[in-house]
Amino acid sequence: DQQVKQNSPSLSVQEGRISILNCDYTNSMFDYFLWYKKYPAEGPTFLISISSIKDKNEDGRFTVFLNKSAKHLSLHIVPSQPGDSAVYFCAARGRLSGGYNKLIFGAGTRLAVHP
Amino acid sequence: EAQVTQNPRYLITVTGKKLTVTCSQNMNHEYMSWYRQDPGLGLRQIYYSMNVEVTDKGDVPEGYKVSRKEKRNFPLILESPSPNQTSLYFCASSLRLAGGGGTGELFFGEGSRLTVL
Repeated sequence: DQQVKQNSPSLSVQEGRISILNCDYTNSMFDYFLWYKKYPAEGPTFLISISSIKDKNEDGRFTVFLNKSAKHLSLHIVPSQPGDSAVYFCAARGRLSGGYNKLIFGAGTRLAVHP
Repeated sequence: EAQVTQNPRYLITVTGKKLTVTCSQNMNHEYMSWYRQDPGLGLRQIYYSMNVEVTDKGDVPEGYKVSRKEKRNFPLILESPSPNQTSLYFCASSLRLAGGGGTGELFFGEGSRLTVL
């Protein structure tokens, strides 16, 4: 049972346009949501996050929106650049005992930005 | 430079031949974890460790062992590898976030691609 779902395995966007990557989750107890970016032959790197008490967080060209009632979040990249081509993982944070965190990842969406 | 280092980066082995993938972090993080990445399944947690000598199973622990004798190191052990353990493995670490606060950001190593024939 996947608690975090990224239903689009791939997305192709033209340079300069908006990229929208979507993520759905099932557990209403998740308190933080994160996006990671992964280039080939590298480990995932943290991109942006949002607390469950907010509905929007912006960092430069990247904005994450959270719709708690729909259990849905999205990552917007504006404008998209060829260097944004990568696999994007959505992750949700649950709590383990003792205050530690468990991140549950989606399957990833491969974004290709074409010149 | 803050980093998580895994070795080997690439390995081809045969069924049943014990192997260890090492992981070391230089950020004094308490929490460390191993993930495997498979097509269509994303990153799935194998084992995690909250601190030295404290480890626990993740979502897919079968066929793996770990140890945490030192804070900086968290090796992944495959006692008798099988072909279904062919995968891309990532080690990750983060700060302990007791009482809330922060994002729970994980820092990942560059990955170890393992092929079991």
